[in-house]
Amino acid sequence: DGGITQSPKYLFRKEGQNVTLSCEQNLNHDAMYWYRQDPGQGLRLIYYSQIVNDFQKGDIAEGYSVSREKKESFPLTVTSAQKNPTAFYLCASSRDLNQPQHFGDGTRLSIL
Amino acid sequence: AQRVTQPEKLLSVFKGAPVELKCNYSYSGSPELFWYVQYSRQRLQLLLRHISRESIKGFTADLNKGETSFHLKKPFAQEEDSAMYYCALSFSTDSWGKLQFGSGTQVVVTP
Repeated sequence: DGGITQSPKYLFRKEGQNVTLSCEQNLNHDAMYWYRQDPGQGLRLIYYSQIVNDFQKGDIAEGYSVSREKKESFPLTVTSAQKNPTAFYLCASSRDLNQPQHFGDGTRLSIL
Repeated sequence: AQRVTQPEKLLSVFKGAPVELKCNYSYSGSPELFWYVQYSRQRLQLLLRHISRESIKGFTADLNKGETSFHLKKPFAQEEDSAMYYCALSFSTDSWGKLQFGSGTQVVVTP
């Protein structure tokens, strides 16, 4: 689904640094989501946004922050408060909260 | 707390054999359930959703509220069915956006 672009594909962070993962969609979807995936586990919801300028915490929001200033963009910042940030991060979008979600290719974040 | 359990990490079946992926959930409300699939080198995508009552690529899934299960079945597996499958539950009473995913089942179909 080329409508959702996550960048970069791989990201390295030094301890104590904040890092921002990009997610852009051109599907004109109102809702956007961020998930974290760890080995042997399913996807866990970090944050989601139903509409521009609105977002809600998911199950594991601590140590993360988001913004939704534009409909097409939903960047995720992994802050230094996130003690175990090494993971695979997936962004998704949907027409609204009641429609199926479309996923990006993901960003793999590693700590140096 | 809401939980989705996929007990099998890996399911290996022969081509033409039936395949069943188990999914059990715990949720006190009325669930909406989905199966997502990720083929090799492709993105995670929706396979089917309970409310649609569809059969996609020969797969079906029946919600059994008594057993709190939403198992995915296909009578004759094909090699192209090899993929990672995730069961997901929507546990919000007013929207389906907040999904709880299971840990996934890797399906390998051998000729």
